[in-house]
Amino acid sequence: EDQVTQSPEALRLQEGESSSLNCSYTVSGLRGLFWYRQDPGKGPEFLFTLYSAGEEKEKERLKATLTKKESFLHITAPKPEDSATYLCAVQAGAGGTSYGKLTFGQGTILTVHP
Amino acid sequence: NAGVTQTPKFRVLKTGQSMTLLCAQDMNHEYMYWYRQDPGMGLRLIHYSVGEGTTAKGEVPDGYNVSRLKKQNFLLGLESAAPSQTSVYFCASSYGSHQYYGYTFGSGTRLTVV
Repeated sequence: EDQVTQSPEALRLQEGESSSLNCSYTVSGLRGLFWYRQDPGKGPEFLFTLYSAGEEKEKERLKATLTKKESFLHITAPKPEDSATYLCAVQAGAGGTSYGKLTFGQGTILTVHP
Repeated sequence: NAGVTQTPKFRVLKTGQSMTLLCAQDMNHEYMYWYRQDPGMGLRLIHYSVGEGTTAKGEVPDGYNVSRLKKQNFLLGLESAAPSQTSVYFCASSYGSHQYYGYTFGSGTRLTVV
């Protein structure tokens, strides 16, 4: 069974205080690892897809990295507008049988104080 | 704006009542999904569709039915609502099984069953 565990459950930062969110996963045949941002009362918004260990992607103050067992979302010099819930998800299944289905973690609630 | 539209946004049902949640997308996506989101549980897949006229069960399908008569619409039905179905329901769509651009999510339907 595919599993995704995110830590910490909640993270409070001061503006400008860099930190990282963790996503540990167990999956049979990783096809992709995804990061989403979710604001209160809204649907998740796609951020990144990572496909293989060693891969990195960046967007503004966010950088996602991937190893064979986990992914990190690094937040550099965060601002209050970065406050949101960050979701990690995996797509499993080699050979085209996953039908795009994702298994999500429970999320990390990030709060950035001015 | 192009995207995924969910209706209604809020609904309160009495135990045993039925209802249908509508999801409409205007991006010509082949794949569509229904997830539910509960505190501490992450997003869990209810049903999904890989094209017009097709549907398949996800992780938590019991108590729900779906239909995809038109490519742009994916309906989620609750035949006899139970308090355990109180949740926030999200519809999502994607081009195909390769999640290069991730899902596009709707804004959600908050359902309370009393």
